[in-house]
Amino acid sequence: GAVVSQHPSWVICKSGTSVKIECRSLDFQATTMFWYRQFPKQSLMLMATSNEGSKATYEQGVEKDKFLINHASLTLSTLTVTSAHPEDSSFYICSARDTRIAATEAFFGQGTRLTVV
Amino acid sequence: GQNIDQPTEMTATEGAIVQINCTYQTSGFNGLFWYQQHAGEAPTFLSYNVLDGLEEKGRFSSFLSRSKGYSYLLLKELQMKDSASYLCAVRDRWGGNTPLVFGKGTRLSVIA
Repeated sequence: GAVVSQHPSWVICKSGTSVKIECRSLDFQATTMFWYRQFPKQSLMLMATSNEGSKATYEQGVEKDKFLINHASLTLSTLTVTSAHPEDSSFYICSARDTRIAATEAFFGQGTRLTVV
Repeated sequence: GQNIDQPTEMTATEGAIVQINCTYQTSGFNGLFWYQQHAGEAPTFLSYNVLDGLEEKGRFSSFLSRSKGYSYLLLKELQMKDSASYLCAVRDRWGGNTPLVFGKGTRLSVIA
């Protein structure tokens, strides 16, 4: 099946610094990828839709200047958390579908546990 | 708005059968998904329903009634490793690249 790889798996950073998370589709091309955030014991909340070669679409309440998304190629999307604060500590997960084969399910990356201290 | 409801927690005995219910109210419908998520890990796909009825896949089955906005996930012959969160998710519109809307998940504990 399709594979989505996310890196890093976990990161600890100081408050005020920026952190970049990468999401790669390893064996298919993804014109669209999705970024979710999950707080402890909560569901996955969609943050933004990343579109290859164009601007990302952000969900209401998500600051686009704080969560920078770049989708420069058909296999890579990056999420940069700028000027991170402790309240940004969360589990960030990306997902993508292989639409070439009319696949129905979305595949998820391994997730990134971000801790801001 | 979008609303997906499922029980917060359930407990079941090893070897037994458990049914996890999900009701949804969304602006549109293009499929319902069930995912399994172990703590600290990404979700893994379990099942997909777009038409009414039962889909069976080994120990797992999923049912959908579109008219009732209702689905359930049935787990048979429970094993300890089935202890996880089970997420119900809906794709609310057509289109090749539409995100999923997730429920809050049901934490299932399997006990001996």
